[in-house]
Amino acid sequence: DTEVTQTPKHLVMGMTNKKSLKCEQHMGHRAMYWYKQKAKKPPELMFVYSYEKLSINESVPSRFSPECPNSSLLNLHLHALQPEDSALYLCASSQGEMDTQYFGPGTRLTVL
Amino acid sequence: GQNIDQPTEMTATEGAIVQINCTYQTSGFNGLFWYQQHAGEAPTFLSYNVLDGLEEKGRFSSFLSRSKGYSYLLLKELQMKDSASYLCAGVYDYKLSFGAGTTVTVRA
Repeated sequence: DTEVTQTPKHLVMGMTNKKSLKCEQHMGHRAMYWYKQKAKKPPELMFVYSYEKLSINESVPSRFSPECPNSSLLNLHLHALQPEDSALYLCASSQGEMDTQYFGPGTRLTVL
Repeated sequence: GQNIDQPTEMTATEGAIVQINCTYQTSGFNGLFWYQQHAGEAPTFLSYNVLDGLEEKGRFSSFLSRSKGYSYLLLKELQMKDSASYLCAGVYDYKLSFGAGTTVTVRA
């Protein structure tokens, strides 16, 4: 089983809203990732968690706030987003940081 | 990032073979992944090369030459469902750096 789940599948929010994206995996993976992908572009790494600790933050604006409550869950809290933040947000997980990453189906986010 | 280059688009006929080339920066390189991504969907893992040589997995094969900073993905016996974007991704400092992707269109 190489399944990573993400909710919601679609999200529309205003610039003053606060929302959260959720990601879950039950493969016992110890590394989890958030990526942002714009149309016709490759995924861009945002955050990496390793053993539930933030190990990489790719200079992401503070309006994106990641959280790893336990080894199976990864959240991305959103606040005061801009229209240019509209994108597909992908979660991935891997056994370790150098191992194959398995992606979830993504959350399609639209900021109005 | 990491100067990962791959062609933007390729078109081939059903049943044919297509080879997608990828070149990358060799400094700091630890391995190379290929992912397939259908429009609007998540990337799915195809292959991972760490050592030089060819890895074969069914209709898909991937090759790596570390000294040349070169890899290719070979798709054989193309099917319509193979129409997708193929992403080459290098591992640098525990992070994946993706190429822009190659859109493959399979025609009947």
